[in-house]
Amino acid sequence: GAVVSQHPSWVICKSGTSVKIECRSLDFQATTMFWYRQFPKQSLMLMATSNEGSKATYEQGVEKDKFLINHASLTLSTLTVTSAHPEDSSFYICSADSGRGYEQFFGPGTRLTVL
Amino acid sequence: GEDVEQSLFLSVREGDSSVINCTYTDSSSTYLYWYKQEPGAGLQLLTYIFSNMDMKQDQRLTVLLNKKDKHLSLRIADTQTGDSAIYFCAETDYNNNDMRFGAGTRLTVKP
Repeated sequence: GAVVSQHPSWVICKSGTSVKIECRSLDFQATTMFWYRQFPKQSLMLMATSNEGSKATYEQGVEKDKFLINHASLTLSTLTVTSAHPEDSSFYICSADSGRGYEQFFGPGTRLTVL
Repeated sequence: GEDVEQSLFLSVREGDSSVINCTYTDSSSTYLYWYKQEPGAGLQLLTYIFSNMDMKQDQRLTVLLNKKDKHLSLRIADTQTGDSAIYFCAETDYNNNDMRFGAGTRLTVKP
């Protein structure tokens, strides 16, 4: 089956630093990847849609200069949280479009804690 | 915006059936999903149903869709302690552009 990995699985950083999270599709090519954020005890919220070779599309209310997304290849998308603050602490999950039109494969998630 | 709603908690005894309900508002929903999230993990797709179906069964899982009432349910037969998790209902439109999730139902299975 299709596998999506994320790295790192958890990260702790100091306020003001930047953190990069990688999302990889391991055995399939993903033209489109999605980045979600999950607040405690809440559902996933779509942050942005990442298309290989083009600029990401951000959801309303998501700061594109703060959450930089790069989808440089068909198997890798990165999310960089710039100048992180404690309120950015969250669980970030990516998913990749299988290309079959109805299924997305989710990564295991990255827990970010900003001190 | 379009909403997906679920009850937040469900508690059942081991061996009983669990029924998790979901309602949605988008009449153009084409695909409806059930995901399972175990503590600290990402989402796992359990099953999905096309909007032109009204029922889908997969081993212990039965999905019922009432398109008229925009109501989706997930029934887990013979619920086990390993089924304890958060279950998310989600839907997308035909183009699968934006997956909208419910808040998740926390299922607790008591021995």
